[in-house]
Amino acid sequence: SQQGEEDPQALSIQEGENATMNCSYKTSINNLQWYRQNSGRGLVHLILIRSNEREKHSGRLRVTLDTSKKSSSLLITASRAADTASYFCATDAWEGGSYIPTFGRGTSLIVHP
Amino acid sequence: DTGVSQDPRHKITKRGQNVTFRCDPISEHNRLYWYRQTLGQGPEFLTYFQNEAQLEKSRLLSDRFSAERPKGSFSTLEIQRTEQGDSAMYLCASRQTGHGYTFGSGTRLTVV
Repeated sequence: SQQGEEDPQALSIQEGENATMNCSYKTSINNLQWYRQNSGRGLVHLILIRSNEREKHSGRLRVTLDTSKKSSSLLITASRAADTASYFCATDAWEGGSYIPTFGRGTSLIVHP
Repeated sequence: DTGVSQDPRHKITKRGQNVTFRCDPISEHNRLYWYRQTLGQGPEFLTYFQNEAQLEKSRLLSDRFSAERPKGSFSTLEIQRTEQGDSAMYLCASRQTGHGYTFGSGTRLTVV
């Protein structure tokens, strides 16, 4: 089952614009992570935010976490063509007595030069 | 350390054959994970190890799938009697508890 669900499924923007992706989840979590995947490649870890944190920054990336709404957002500022990729959120979700790492279906981002 | 390595990169096999994939994690990472990913989907959890112990296995995982991690180092994932539905990218990742995953480049399996 998909614990995290990203929204939108696809996003197309112009270089220089900001891109915002959202992730919703269902169960309690230890932390939430965002990953990038270029076509046909492995996933690259971008940022991890713990359940007791509300916001985290890394370069042009800003992640927020709202545990009351069970949601997170990833903001990429001043996007570049090289940011074109699929972005996934992942959580260590509590299921059946243990934490199971689960990924959403991803947001496909296209940044036009 | 060169990251997480997976071998082979591509595997084409006939339906009914057995296949085995290998993953070499980052040596300092105590946890190792196997995922499966199909086109347009996120990675689907299969199983994970902490050191040499297999701690969790997906309830959706067929008995044809088995994984090992002898001595807590590299891991192998074997699929017996492959089916066309097994065609996917098989990803391995390692991590230290509480940190993000480092993924390998994956093994793309095609069952014909």
